[in-house]
Amino acid sequence: DVKVTQSSRYLVKRTGEKVFLECVQDMDHENMFWYRQDPGLGLRLIYFSYDVKMKEKGDIPEGYSVSREKKERFSLILESASTNQTSMYLCASPPRPGLSTYNEQFFGPGTRLTVL
Amino acid sequence: ELKVEQNPLFLSMQEGKNYTIYCNYSTTSDRLYWYRQDPGKSLESLFVLLSNGAVKQEGRLMASLDTKARLSTLHITAAVHDLSATYFCAVDRGDYKLSFGAGTTVTVRA
Repeated sequence: DVKVTQSSRYLVKRTGEKVFLECVQDMDHENMFWYRQDPGLGLRLIYFSYDVKMKEKGDIPEGYSVSREKKERFSLILESASTNQTSMYLCASPPRPGLSTYNEQFFGPGTRLTVL
Repeated sequence: ELKVEQNPLFLSMQEGKNYTIYCNYSTTSDRLYWYRQDPGKSLESLFVLLSNGAVKQEGRLMASLDTKARLSTLHITAAVHDLSATYFCAVDRGDYKLSFGAGTTVTVRA
């Protein structure tokens, strides 16, 4: 089974701190995505990556950056956390085309971040 | 920009009755997804719909897709308590980037 894991389920940080959220997938996928989820807004795409060292901005990249040094790991970085970044963060990793599940999008368990 | 409108946002269901959740989207797409989310949990994939007229069923849930109308429906038959959750539709706008609806929070009462 495809497995997407995230480093923390719950995280509490202070305003101005630098925050790292990590996502790891164990199926050798090229594609990895970060979304944030807020009530009434659904999920919104922050950043994505189609390969190692590659990154692209999504719809709401302001205040975030990412790092993809290894294929299996995609990190979301909050350079200086602010209270409006309090949210649920979800990582996703769709498989390569050609696999039987290639139309699926598998999500990690999520990290609920609170910025005080 | 692809917009996805889901309605209703809240749905109070009576056990045993049938209901439908609607998902409208603004531009063409190759893939439409339905997900379920329980409180505090991640997204669970329910269906992936790939072509016009596609219909998929799993238990009491049935999803369909009309690409010409840019409309997908999630039909719930004879609601039971276990179906209480939030349901999302999501549309692939290309290269696996998803645009999500706001979600429908379903509560099933006896």
